[in-house]
Amino acid sequence: GNSVTQMEGPVTLSEEAFLTINCTYTATGYPSLFWYVQYPGEGLQLLLKATKADDKGSNKGFEATYRKETTSFHLEKGSVQVSDSAVYFCALAKAAGNKLTFGGGTRVLVKP
Amino acid sequence: DVKVTQSSRYLVKRTGEKVFLECVQDMDHENMFWYRQDPGLGLRLIYFSYDVKMKEKGDIPEGYSVSREKKERFSLILESASTNQTSMYLCASSLPDTPGSPLHFGNGTRLTVT
Repeated sequence: GNSVTQMEGPVTLSEEAFLTINCTYTATGYPSLFWYVQYPGEGLQLLLKATKADDKGSNKGFEATYRKETTSFHLEKGSVQVSDSAVYFCALAKAAGNKLTFGGGTRVLVKP
Repeated sequence: DVKVTQSSRYLVKRTGEKVFLECVQDMDHENMFWYRQDPGLGLRLIYFSYDVKMKEKGDIPEGYSVSREKKERFSLILESASTNQTSMYLCASSLPDTPGSPLHFGNGTRLTVT
């Protein structure tokens, strides 16, 4: 079956540091890949996505590239802010009905 | 903007009670989902629905049922609540079968079963 593995947190960083959250997946065929973010007290919201190999998703300074050869979709941001403190979820979707399979989530804490 | 509204933010119920969690979306989405979120386990799919009166089991349906009588409303039912159902429950909706179509989530209902 499908599965998503992402690094465990929490990840604690200082403001303006570089952030990487690793994500690898197992799936047949060519899933769509997503990063969702959950700010404190809120539901999840889409951060970025990629629907085919070598696509790069980007939003709010975050980037992730769909690497089929390594089955990975690592999230990066060059200079984090305190407001980026949140839980980040990597997810994949196969074609039927957009059912998402999520990773375990990575909590990120950015300190001023 | 799509809005997904969950009726309760916090609920406290007793073991054995029948519990209803309600979810309403305002964008005429065909697909609706119920997930539960637990620390370290991410989100796990309980049930989903492709259309009115249509439902399919997700990965962890045991102990739950759902109802979709109207397109905008998707209810999760715990027939007899147990302490291992204490969790955060998230409802979501999306367009059907469009690659890359995102899920839109509600803010969640934190259920405690004592």
